[in-house]
Amino acid sequence: DIQMTQSPSSLPASVGDRLTITCRASQSINNNLNWYQHKPGQAPKLLIYAASTLQSGVPSRFSGSGSGTDFTLTISSLQPEDFATYFCQQSFNAFRTFGQGTKVDI
Amino acid sequence: QLQLQESGPGLVKPSETLSLTCTVPDDSMRSSGYFWGWIRQPPGKGLEWIASIYYNGATHYNPSLKSRVAISIDTSKNQFSLTLSSLTAADTAVYYCARDCISSGPWYFDLWGRGTLVTVSS
Repeated sequence: DIQMTQSPSSLPASVGDRLTITCRASQSINNNLNWYQHKPGQAPKLLIYAASTLQSGVPSRFSGSGSGTDFTLTISSLQPEDFATYFCQQSFNAFRTFGQGTKVDI
Repeated sequence: QLQLQESGPGLVKPSETLSLTCTVPDDSMRSSGYFWGWIRQPPGKGLEWIASIYYNGATHYNPSLKSRVAISIDTSKNQFSLTLSSLTAADTAVYYCARDCISSGPWYFDLWGRGTLVTVSS
């Protein structure tokens, strides 16, 4: 299986901050990388798919980049509603694997 | 906001079999553009993909769980289901169902349920 290593695991932040979360795959996955936002008690929400394509309805302050093994999720200016856990997921093959998650909190 | 809905028992005993059902709120289950999957998250741990199924019954399973898992689909009811046998405490987790969009390019889970907590305990 493809291992996904996400960092950091925890990210203290303030409103207005620019944040970057990284995800590294154990082998090349081309651009088969997705990012999700998850808040407690809610359904996870797709933010970015295919490494850099913004899902419909997601604010433009979210962006994704990368290809091969190294990927980043950037939030250009953190808003109060962005405090949540973010995780990456590879879809290079049918055996989907996820990063361990990054909790963004105050 | 559109979302899937998981249902099932919150508490099951060790060695028993867990059965979960996911209800899809629209007719997308009959579309060729989606797989339908189950994912779980044990307390304090990351997400683990369990299995996925296509509208025609084609399946994919996580090799580490394949011997204990079965996934099925009933498009007439807009539901798909998961059974997990020989339960242990390690199967305690929040179980999510999700829609896996495969219509073009890289695949992604574009719609999820809120999850249902399953505790394995005597």
